[in-house]
Amino acid sequence: DQQVKQNSPSLSVQEGRISILNCDYTNSMFDYFLWYKKYPAEGPTFLISISSIKDKNEDGRFTVFLNKSAKHLSLHIVPSQPGDSAVYFCAPRVGGTSYGKLTFGQGTILTVHP
Amino acid sequence: DAMVIQNPRYQVTQFGKPVTLSCSQTLNHNVMYWYQQKSSQAPKLLFHYYDKDFNNEADTPDNFQSRRPNTSFCFLDIRSPGLGDAAMYLCATSREGGGQETQYFGPGTRLLVL
Repeated sequence: DQQVKQNSPSLSVQEGRISILNCDYTNSMFDYFLWYKKYPAEGPTFLISISSIKDKNEDGRFTVFLNKSAKHLSLHIVPSQPGDSAVYFCAPRVGGTSYGKLTFGQGTILTVHP
Repeated sequence: DAMVIQNPRYQVTQFGKPVTLSCSQTLNHNVMYWYQQKSSQAPKLLFHYYDKDFNNEADTPDNFQSRRPNTSFCFLDIRSPGLGDAAMYLCATSREGGGQETQYFGPGTRLLVL
């Protein structure tokens, strides 16, 4: 039972354009949603997050949108840069703990072409 | 720099031969996690330690064990590796707090079973 799905295994975008990465989930107990970025030969690194009480969170070029009714979130990168090329994981967390036990999606490989 | 370190980065073992993967951290975080990531799949949580308390995921095979002798170190023991255990193993840490702490990942150990 896959609770978190990133249905696009890969995405290719031109430098300067917008990248939109999508994530769908089924567990209504998720209360905090994180995005991680992973470069080859490195561990995932935290990128941006959003609480379930919000519908948008912005950090520089990165914005995450949450639609709780649709159980859907998306990560927007504007403008996209070649250095953004990486694997992006959606990783929600079930509420009720004071530390993070995450459920990861399969990841989307983003390639930004110069 | 404070970080999560995993050794070795690559480990080759024989079918059925016990193997131990190591993780250390300089972040002084009280929670440590072990994930298994198979090719093109989501990282899957195997277990985590909250301080010295061990928390096993329900579907983690008995073949996988863990030890945490102190705050800084955590080990993953695979008692009898099978071909299906070949994967990337990721160690992560987090700090108990307000509930929105992220996890910090090591670079991973890629295990090959011959």
